[in-house]
Amino acid sequence: DADVTQTPRNRITKTGKRIMLECSQTKGHDRMYWYRQDPGLGLRLIYYSFDVKDINKGEISDGYSVSRQAQAKFSLSLESAIPNQTALYFCATSDPGLAGITGELFFGEGSRLTVL
Amino acid sequence: QKEVEQNSGPLSVPEGAIASLNCTYSDRGSQSFFWYRQYSGKSPELIMFIYSNGDKEDGRFTAQLNKASQYVSLLIRDSQPSDSATYLCAVGLTGRRALTFGSGTRLQVQP
Repeated sequence: DADVTQTPRNRITKTGKRIMLECSQTKGHDRMYWYRQDPGLGLRLIYYSFDVKDINKGEISDGYSVSRQAQAKFSLSLESAIPNQTALYFCATSDPGLAGITGELFFGEGSRLTVL
Repeated sequence: QKEVEQNSGPLSVPEGAIASLNCTYSDRGSQSFFWYRQYSGKSPELIMFIYSNGDKEDGRFTAQLNKASQYVSLLIRDSQPSDSATYLCAVGLTGRRALTFGSGTRLQVQP
């Protein structure tokens, strides 16, 4: 089983629908992230969380919300999906790293979302 | 100026050649640098990380960091068709609590 699991892996929905992407991990990491990937734009950070009570916006948080239900679970919601939210979404985890230096990310397999 | 910049490519090299991938970053105080490989439709996987100036070698891969010039590169020796993928540079920018990614360089290794 994957250490970082995302569900669903693929989803097609319509404009205006609410969508939740879920992420769970067995790596025991406190830090969890949601990134979005669009062709030619690399990975862009949506939200991140360093523990259950610590939620932070990334560079493209508008139109998204998150919930950290437990150390191992971090969900991303689109309250009212729009077509330009069509993308590949990745959940990732990390440990604290050395002396505050941002450490390696471990990625889930991705959730491909299409908004019609 | 983007915070982490990569040439989008494609970079095309013949099998057996050395592929050189480059990445520049804007924040001089950045401390951690990562190279990820990503096959189409798959998740990124870590190839190398480097924290100190100089070279770091791991098998066919060498990461090179020059903090004074604010660039990090990845050399792939004896390139194989299986190395054909997009290579993402990621940087731990000062004051940022998450890695910042470049847009990636697509590498094509021609048999």
